[in-house]
Amino acid sequence: AQSVTQLDSQVPVFEEAPVELRCNYSSSVSVYLFWYVQYPNQGLQLLLKYLSGSTLVKGINGFEAEFNKSQTSFHLRKPSVHISDTAEYFCAVATGTASKLTFGTGTRLQVTL
Amino acid sequence: DAGVTQSPTHLIKTRGQQVTLRCSPKSGHDTVSWYQQALGQGPQFIFQYYEEEERQRGNFPDRFSGHQFPNYSSELNVNALWLGDSALYLCASRGWGGTDTQYFGPGTRLTVL
Repeated sequence: AQSVTQLDSQVPVFEEAPVELRCNYSSSVSVYLFWYVQYPNQGLQLLLKYLSGSTLVKGINGFEAEFNKSQTSFHLRKPSVHISDTAEYFCAVATGTASKLTFGTGTRLQVTL
Repeated sequence: DAGVTQSPTHLIKTRGQQVTLRCSPKSGHDTVSWYQQALGQGPQFIFQYYEEEERQRGNFPDRFSGHQFPNYSSELNVNALWLGDSALYLCASRGWGGTDTQYFGPGTRLTVL
């Protein structure tokens, strides 16, 4: 079975500052990795995904993530955040393209002026 | 092109009652998954339907059942509701196989009193 750990439940940051949201996973087989964002009272929107190939993945809204197999991590980064980035961010793992997603508990990104 | 739609948006039930939630997948998608997201938690996989059959199931009791119709829409049924079933129920759709992204609906907020 696979699992996902998001080490920070909340991350406060000032607008235009860089941010990193951490994600570590555990799995005995190869995985696919995802980051989703959830705005208040909405469903989940895919930010980016790693399936294979380059370990640096670029997503929407200026976000990127790097897959590190040796450290079993998939941290999300943005060089300069905006107030509108305030939301809940979920890291997820799947062991196959048609398999279920296993989510972490989420990180609340709070951007202030 | 409509995305994933879910109905109703909100629902209030009392303990012991039964509830049915509905989901229409994104156009061109034939696989539907259901997730339960308790307050402050990440989504938990309930089950997945493809070709009108349950293909995968998470760690949920038999009180949770589902159905997929020939038009690929799906229902989630929960019997004998208890307080712990209060959550946001998310539906996600994708194309079977390949590396298609799962697209999530806005969810149904179920409150059990």
